[in-house]
Amino acid sequence: AQSVTQLDSHVSVSEGTPVLLRCNYSSSYSPSLFWYVQHPNKGLQLLLKYTSAATLVKGINGFEAEFKKSETSFHLTKPSAHMSDAAEYFCVVSEYSGGGADGLTFGKGTHLIIQP
Amino acid sequence: ETGVTQTPRHLVMGMTNKKSLKCEQHLGHNAMYWYKQSAKKPLELMFVYNFKEQTENNSVPSRFSPECPNSSHLFLHLHTLQPEDSALYLCASSQDIDAWYGYTFGSGTRLTVV
Repeated sequence: AQSVTQLDSHVSVSEGTPVLLRCNYSSSYSPSLFWYVQHPNKGLQLLLKYTSAATLVKGINGFEAEFKKSETSFHLTKPSAHMSDAAEYFCVVSEYSGGGADGLTFGKGTHLIIQP
Repeated sequence: ETGVTQTPRHLVMGMTNKKSLKCEQHLGHNAMYWYKQSAKKPLELMFVYNFKEQTENNSVPSRFSPECPNSSHLFLHLHTLQPEDSALYLCASSQDIDAWYGYTFGSGTRLTVV
């Protein structure tokens, strides 16, 4: 069985400062991990994904995440926040066990607020 | 655009109406999904189709009826809905059912039941 925990429901940072959104996971298999972003009244857009290649993954819009197996973490970071980054962020784990769509588990989301 | 198109973007319907949501993808993906996203609740998986065959029905009420005529199109037929069914309905697709490379989502249909 797999699970995802997003440690903060809300994160507030000032524009131009670093962003850290935390995600921990548990998985019985070697997982794929994803971060999705959702702007208000929009669908979910893939930011980046880890699928057992390099542990430091670079995504769109300057975001990156590091897969740390020993800590079972996949935290999302960005060096300098922009106002347009304000959105809901979802950490997702995919554990292929032949179970189809049940293999994709979504976190509850972190609402990122950018202060001017 | 992500490659997954949902129509309409917004829908207001009465509890006795019948309406349909449409999802279309031309990414060559074999699996398609309906999700419900309500305020302050996690994403809820509703239905899964793999190669046009329904493989998952997550205890969804019968007032929601999916249809997948081919691998590129997915519908969600709605009838006699309740106000608590108001939500953002998201369609997604993936290359294969194991979703190893994640999903591509549409922009959603914002449904309001009055």
